[in-house]
Amino acid sequence: GQNIDQPTEMTATEGAIVQINCTYQTSGFNGLFWYQQHAGEAPTFLSYNVLDGLEEKGRFSSFLSRSKGYSYLLLKELQMKDSASYLCAVRTYNTGFQKLVFGTGTRLLVSP
Amino acid sequence: GAGVSQSPSNKVTEKGKDVELRCDPISGHTALYWYRQSLGQGLEFLIYFQGNSAPDKSGLPSDRFSAERTGGSVSTLTIQRTQQEDSAVYLCASSLSPQKHVRETQYFGPGTRLLVL
Repeated sequence: GQNIDQPTEMTATEGAIVQINCTYQTSGFNGLFWYQQHAGEAPTFLSYNVLDGLEEKGRFSSFLSRSKGYSYLLLKELQMKDSASYLCAVRTYNTGFQKLVFGTGTRLLVSP
Repeated sequence: GAGVSQSPSNKVTEKGKDVELRCDPISGHTALYWYRQSLGQGLEFLIYFQGNSAPDKSGLPSDRFSAERTGGSVSTLTIQRTQQEDSAVYLCASSLSPQKHVRETQYFGPGTRLLVL
């Protein structure tokens, strides 16, 4: 089966750095995505990793270790608008189909 | 259109009634996905359409749920004899033809908030 774990909630202060971890156990691994979802809105794409290592995009970076089944999303210079849920999703490829399996999300609260 | 659109944005229905939710994917996207998100929960995969292939229905929770995609574009998710536990946000996403090892991003619609009384 598929299993994706991430913390339920995290808090941080404006200007700080926060790391949101995600561990997974899946078959047919074919990439890991991070999405941001503000309350009442649709998820929006943040990052994608398929090879081991760090992908940096502005204030956001994402890391993947396939051997450990582990990823993290790093948010630097936190802003109030970063308060949102962050969804880790693993793409699996089995029997010719691709689909994303989502974790339950980490709700991040950024305080002044 | 510019993005994925869904209708209605909100739907309130009575237990036992049927509902239809509509999704218009981004033009040119051949892959279409339906997800369900219950309050405080992650996204639950429901069904996936890719081109003219038979859909992957492995996520549908019961036979009361069905979906179709006509002409390779618009999709309709139908829930028959709705139950209170069906209350959730139903999200649709689309993507370009997904090829293995290719960065393929799913773009989500705004969702339909379904409330079953």
